[in-house]
This record gives sequence, structure tokens and C-alpha cells, in this order.
Amino acid sequence: DAKTTQPPSMDCAEGRAANLPCNHSTISGNEYVYWYRQIHSQGPQYIIHGLKNNETNEMASLIITEDRKSSTLILPHATLRDTAVYYCIVRRFSGSARQLTFGSGTQLTVLP
Amino acid sequence: DSGVTQTPKHLITATGQRVTLRCSPRSGDLSVYWYQQSLDQGLQFLIQYYNGEERAKGNILERFSAQQFPDLHSELNLSSLELGDSALYFCASSPAGGAGQPQHFGDGTRLSIL
Repeated sequence: DAKTTQPPSMDCAEGRAANLPCNHSTISGNEYVYWYRQIHSQGPQYIIHGLKNNETNEMASLIITEDRKSSTLILPHATLRDTAVYYCIVRRFSGSARQLTFGSGTQLTVLP
Repeated sequence: DSGVTQTPKHLITATGQRVTLRCSPRSGDLSVYWYQQSLDQGLQFLIQYYNGEERAKGNILERFSAQQFPDLHSELNLSSLELGDSALYFCASSPAGGAGQPQHFGDGTRLSIL
């Protein structure tokens, strides 16, 4: 699976949009981009995933660049409860590797 | 609520002992994954089962073993416990094993070795 690079930490004001970047310059055509978050020591929570097109669900939007080498997770109106470590993960569609490989992630702190 | 249930939530035991962690996947999910999260290692994949069969292995110690039962629940057995085994153990499940299907995680079992 391709390696991802994320900033170690970010701050965001409550009510504003949080834009979390992820670089995955070695991504290949059959790899998905996944985003998870972990609040304190709770289980990682699935947020969103995509292959080529931008995706949106009730939690967030995922913007993938046309060359697929980077992506941005957007939380449109951040709340204090969005404070968490956010993980960007690239995962192959085929092959024997099925697990998620977690990096260090981005610690997002939403400030009142 | 992810739909993945892990028991117990907390376990405190001593070195040399053996414990069993249990995971019930989301209804309909066939794949179960086990992960370990310790303070200095982050989230590490241990092992995956799909419909009762072992599918993939990660950095799982020989002292650890797992299985998935016909009702699809899974158990992770940890034996000859050492202080370094203290960690959070998470179970995740997905409908199958494909990359297009997200894994959903339980709330974990916190294992403390004294």
C-alpha cells in the first residue's frame, strides 16, 4: 500500500471548516483513500473513502486531486467533539493485503 | 455505535497468564480483523479471518492466536503474557475483504499486565 504523509497537528476554530491534507504521491490506480479518526482511546471511526471522484457523506467531504497524489478531508462545521487524531490510509483493491495500515495521523484540535 | 461488540472492556492480569478477548462483528460481516494499539507502536494489524478461515497475518506473536467460529464471532487468545503486551486491542469487521468496503471498529479491550 502507498505511504501517506500528514501534518502531525492542526487547530481549527469551532464552527469553521476543518481541512485536513494528505499526501499519497505513490498511490496506484487500484488503491482507495480512506479516512478514519480516533477520539481519545476509542475505536477508530470510519469517516469516508474514495477512489477517484470526490465523495461526500453526512460526516465529511473527501476531495481527491485529479492526479490522485493528494487528498483533503473537509469537516464543514467543526465542533469540539471533532477533536481527534485523523488517519489517512491508502489501501489496495486487490491482492492478499486486506488490513489497514495506520500511520501517525493528524491531531486535530477544535478550539472554542 | 459501530455495531462491533468487544468484551471485556477492561482486563487486568499478571505476567505469565492467559486471556481471551472476544469480538462479535456487525450483522452480516464475514471478515474480522484484530489490531493492537500500544503507546509506542500505534495501531498495528495482527490477523484477519474471513468466514472462519485465516486470511492475512500481520505482526502477531507466536504466543497469540485467534479463531473465528461458525457464528462469525472471533476470539483472540494471548498467552504467557508479558508486561509489553499491555495495550488496547481492537476488533474490526467488514462485509468481505475487499478494499472498497470499510472496516468498522469496536470500542476495544484494554489489557493491563501487572
